[in-house]
Amino acid sequence: DQQVKQNSPSLSVQEGRISILNCDYTNSMFDYFLWYKKYPAEGPTFLISISSIKDKNEDGRFTVFLNKSAKHLSLHIVPSQPGDSAVYFCAAGYTGANSKLTFGKGITLSVRP
Amino acid sequence: ETGVTQSPTHLIKTRGQQVTLRCSSQSGHNTVSWYQQALGQGPQFIFQYYREEENGRGNFPPRFSGLQFPNYSSELNVNALELDDSALYLCASSLGGANREAFFGQGTRLTVV
Repeated sequence: DQQVKQNSPSLSVQEGRISILNCDYTNSMFDYFLWYKKYPAEGPTFLISISSIKDKNEDGRFTVFLNKSAKHLSLHIVPSQPGDSAVYFCAAGYTGANSKLTFGKGITLSVRP
Repeated sequence: ETGVTQSPTHLIKTRGQQVTLRCSSQSGHNTVSWYQQALGQGPQFIFQYYREEENGRGNFPPRFSGLQFPNYSSELNVNALELDDSALYLCASSLGGANREAFFGQGTRLTVV
């Protein structure tokens, strides 16, 4: 039972263009969402998060959009840079004592120079 | 630089053996979570420790156990290793019982032969 789904395993974009990474979830109890970036041989690096009370959060080139009614979130990277090439994980969690992160399978982003 | 360090970075064990993985949390963080990442999958939550007590557990058998020490560092112990335990084991530290903005170590790559 996959509660966080990243249905596209890979995405390739041209440098300077927008990258849009999508994520869907099934559990309406999730109240915060995070994106992590992972390079080979490294642990995931926190990128950006969003609480369920918001529909948008922006940090530099990274913007996360949340559509609660559709149980969908997306990460926009503008402009995309070759150094953004990595695996991106969407994760979701509950606020509270027993919170844990539920991750999707990840999307491999390749940014072509 | 996340400040979360894990040891060892790589390990090879034989089926049936026991293994201990270690994690030093980021300074000031009192919560440590452990995740298992199999090849091609997202990280799966094993358990979390908050102020030296288990604070939530995922769908892993009892042969996966852990500890958190007064300095908030942590150990993950796996008994009776199985071939399917081969994976990247990730430790994440955060402040408080919630996993908002959890910071990950580089992981320990365990291979069971």
